[in-house]
Amino acid sequence: DAGVTQSPTHLIKTRGQHVTLRCSPISGHKSVSWYQQVLGQGPQFIFQYYEKEERGRGNFPDRFSARQFPNYSSELNVNALLLGDSALYLCASRKKGAQETQYFGPGTRLLVL
Amino acid sequence: DAKTTQPTSMDCAEGRAANLPCNHSTISGNEYVYWYRQIHSQGPQYIIHGLKNNETNEMASLIITEDRKSSTLILPHATLRDTAVYYCIVRFAGGTSYGKLTFGQGTILTVHP
Repeated sequence: DAGVTQSPTHLIKTRGQHVTLRCSPISGHKSVSWYQQVLGQGPQFIFQYYEKEERGRGNFPDRFSARQFPNYSSELNVNALLLGDSALYLCASRKKGAQETQYFGPGTRLLVL
Repeated sequence: DAKTTQPTSMDCAEGRAANLPCNHSTISGNEYVYWYRQIHSQGPQYIIHGLKNNETNEMASLIITEDRKSSTLILPHATLRDTAVYYCIVRFAGGTSYGKLTFGQGTILTVHP
């Protein structure tokens, strides 16, 4: 089975622009979470979505938003990009149960100039 | 979620067992111990998890002390491809926070020829 896929793999934007990152979960997985990983640090939780509803949010500004589609894929949107938004953005999926393990995609590397 | 403490870095000779410790002295009864690893510039990879019993799978073994305040991840025969950052995470499996993994700094494991 295919794992979690993310697109694009790399992206370069300038300050003030908007970016949309995409994630397709493992087949049968209904929950998607997004993480930001700044260089040299561990991933930080941004959002969790389950059945198209937001079920958790980390300490990130309103410039960050996300949504989940009927096919369980997800988009992460970031408005008014700042230099500090440069990071690896990771998507993770899991089945619906609270006990279920999260599996991560390869990430999207965003560079803001 | 309970906080974890891991050594910053460890070395291991190829073919030997790598034993990675994790302290989680404030863990509560309904929190699981999860281990992930992240090879350079890739998404975190799930390794193993457990509640209170020792666990083993094709990748590793997880030993949890009887008081659950610490655990050890064991890679029985380390290879060069096991060089990575290893994260020990304690996760509450319930409520609205079940989608969130809280990553620390992890342990940089370097396997030497």
